[in-house]
Amino acid sequence: SQQGEEDPQALSIQEGENATMNCSYKTSINNLQWYRQNSGRGLVHLILIRSNEREKHSGRLRVTLDTSKKSSSLLITASRAADTASYFCATDRSGGGADGLTFGKGTHLIIQP
Amino acid sequence: NAGVTQTPKFRVLKTGQSMTLLCAQDMNHEYMYWYRQDPGMGLRLIHYSVGEGTTAKGEVPDGYNVSRLKKQNFLLGLESAAPSQTSVYFCASRYDLVGGTEAFFGQGTRLTVV
Repeated sequence: SQQGEEDPQALSIQEGENATMNCSYKTSINNLQWYRQNSGRGLVHLILIRSNEREKHSGRLRVTLDTSKKSSSLLITASRAADTASYFCATDRSGGGADGLTFGKGTHLIIQP
Repeated sequence: NAGVTQTPKFRVLKTGQSMTLLCAQDMNHEYMYWYRQDPGMGLRLIHYSVGEGTTAKGEVPDGYNVSRLKKQNFLLGLESAAPSQTSVYFCASRYDLVGGTEAFFGQGTRLTVV
């Protein structure tokens, strides 16, 4: 079953604006990861945040994690046309589980030039 | 370093035909996964493997079989294809799960069953 749910399902913004996507999940986690998928391609890992971390940065990406609310957000600053893609959150459940990551349904981001 | 390679990239099958999708990784990863991606459904786990010679069922295993005879390869088989198996299939691998590691994905196989 889906662990994460991204919100919104679709987002369209102007180039240069910031894009914020949210993810909610259901069970306790070890870590939460964000992936990007360009049209017709495989998923690419963006950033991982562990359950004991609250915020993490990587370039123009900023991820926050609130384990009390079981939610995370991904902020892309100064968006570019090349950021147009689908973004997925994925979680590793607490207590292991060799079945690995559970993915949400994704947010489709469109950057208008 | 090729990472994760899937073959074929595209395939059209008739109902009832069989086929095998191949996933190969050159990163010496223990864990390998097969997902299917359908519109509006995200990625759903079909089968996975925690090492050579092991396989296990995921969320949607019915109609599929897998094998991992060699550490670097993970095969997904459809014995009798059905239109409901029309999907995009992704293979992924991870080094291990301790401390959390990223998954590496192949480019996908777009399968249409008519």
